[in-house]
Order: sequence, then structure tokens, then C-alpha cells
Amino acid sequence: DQQVKQNSPSLSVQEGRISILNCDYTNSMFDYFLWYKKYPAEGPTFLISISSIKDKNEDGRFTVFLNKSAKHLSLHIVPSQPGDSAVYFCAASEGVNQFYFGTGTSLTVIP
Amino acid sequence: ETGVTQSPTHLIKTRGQQVTLRCSSQSGHNTVSWYQQALGQGPQFIFQYYREEENGRGNFPPRFSGLQFPNYSSELNVNALELDDSALYLCASSFWQASSYEQYFGPGTRLTVT
Repeated sequence: DQQVKQNSPSLSVQEGRISILNCDYTNSMFDYFLWYKKYPAEGPTFLISISSIKDKNEDGRFTVFLNKSAKHLSLHIVPSQPGDSAVYFCAASEGVNQFYFGTGTSLTVIP
Repeated sequence: ETGVTQSPTHLIKTRGQQVTLRCSSQSGHNTVSWYQQALGQGPQFIFQYYREEENGRGNFPPRFSGLQFPNYSSELNVNALELDDSALYLCASSFWQASSYEQYFGPGTRLTVT
């Protein structure tokens, strides 16, 4: 049973434009959400997070939006850069000791 | 500051064998989690160790077991290997506290079971 879903396996965006990556979840008890970025042959790298008590968190070019009623979160990257090309995973947790990951979205930023 | 390291990088085993994978946590971290990532999937939580005790477990059978040592390094042991155990195994370390959710991942060990 996949509790966190990323329905778009891939996304291509022109350099300088906005990238929007989406994630849906089913467990209303999740209280923390994270985005990770993964390059080939490396482990996932933490990118940005959001608590369930917020609906937006911003860090530089990266903004995460949380819509609890829709059980949906999204990651916006503005402006997109070629170095952002990677696989992006969203993850959710209830408490600190178990994280559920989506299947990932492969982002390609075209120069 | 030393990051999370894992060994070996790659491993090939035969069905029915046993395997031990190793992880060294990032300096200052007292919690380690292990994940299995099958091809085309996201990481699946196996278990977490905090202060040498199992602190949560995902939907994996008992033949998946672990250890955490006083220096916070960790092992993942898998007995009676099956073909479906072929995957990338990731460990992630963190400093456990009620508000700490950030984990730092190692590069993974690629296990192939034939």
C-alpha cells in the first residue's frame, strides 16, 4: 500500500522557468513532509521540509506548499537551473522514526 | 565533518546466503535508519536504531535484522537471501530529538542476489 505517491515519473522544464513537482499522500496522521534530491550513484540529499502546521515553506529558489485538505504537497523551483536535474523524492512521517517515500520524479532542466 | 559512509559499494550473493551491510553515521548523530530501494521505486523503511535499540520497523520479515554499536555505526543483516532482496540499501543517520526529521543518507550498497 503506497501511502505517498508521485504520479509523474518525469518532468522536463526549460532553464529559467518554474518546475512544479507534485506529491499526494493518504495518511492524515502524517505530520511532517520532506523533499529529497538524488543524483545517480549518490544517496538522497535533504532539500526542504514542512510541518503539518504550516502551508508554505520557502528556502531560496525552493518552496514547498502543503494542502492538508487535499492531502497534497508540491515543490516549486524558481528559476530552474540545469544543476537541478535529478530525481526528486517526497517523503512523509508520523513522528520521527518512520518515513514513507514516494517513487520519485525525474526532473530534467533543459539549457 | 564526515558524512555517512556505507560498505561495500556493490555485492553479489546467491539465493539462500546471508549478507551483512555496514554503515558509519555522520559525526554527532545517534540514530540510524535503513531503507531498501528497489529499481524504479522510492526507499522503503526497514528499521531504525536509536541508542543501540530498535526504534521502529517497517513491513520487513524477521530475516532482516540490525545492530547499532556504541560508536553509532550500524549493520544490516539479511538471512536466507531471496531474489527479490536485490536492491539498493541505504542507511541514513540523524540526531534524534522530538523535532528532528532531517536524515542524511549514505551512497548505498547495491546488492544483487542470483
